[in-house]
Amino acid sequence: AQSVTQLDSQVPVFEEAPVELRCNYSSSVSVYLFWYVQYPNQGLQLLLKYLSGSTLVESINGFEAEFNKSQTSFHLRKPSVHISDTAEYFCAVSGGSNYKLTFGKGTLLTVNP
Amino acid sequence: GAGVSQSPRYKVAKRGQDVALRCDPISGHVSLFWYQQALGQGPEFLTYFQNEAQLDKSGLPSDRFFAERPEGSVSTLKIQRTQQEDSAVYLCASSSGGMGTGELFFGEGSRLTVL
Repeated sequence: AQSVTQLDSQVPVFEEAPVELRCNYSSSVSVYLFWYVQYPNQGLQLLLKYLSGSTLVESINGFEAEFNKSQTSFHLRKPSVHISDTAEYFCAVSGGSNYKLTFGKGTLLTVNP
Repeated sequence: GAGVSQSPRYKVAKRGQDVALRCDPISGHVSLFWYQQALGQGPEFLTYFQNEAQLDKSGLPSDRFFAERPEGSVSTLKIQRTQQEDSAVYLCASSSGGMGTGELFFGEGSRLTVL
């Protein structure tokens, strides 16, 4: 069985500041890792994923996450946030069956002007 | 359609009523998932279909919950004799692969409130 811990339920930041959203997971098998984003009044969307290969993965809108096996972490970072990044971010893991995602409780990122 | 469509978006039910929630996945997507998201929580897996076959229903919380996908496209999640603890957002997701790599396309969800 897998589990995901998102250490911060809310992260308020100012526009153009850097941000890190933390995610730790536990699993007894090798995993795939994901970040999903939910903008206000929209459905969940895949932001980025780690399946294999390079441990640093990037999204098209400037976010990146690094898979750290020894620390069982997959933290999400962005060097300079925009107001439009305000959303809830969910870390998720799949392992074993590979089709069943286990989600964290989410982190609400609020970017203030 | 262009995305996953769910209906109704909002449903208020009296305790004990039966409800049915519909999901139209992206055309051609083989895999379909239902998740339940309680307030302040992340989505939790309910059930998984590959085409019309329900391969995993381990997340359904009780035998009051039933899901079907008879023709391998549209799916319905039915909840019988609703209870207050069933209040949640029910999310449907689809993906093009069979045993997928987690790239799910989610609908906007059906918010169920049981009074």
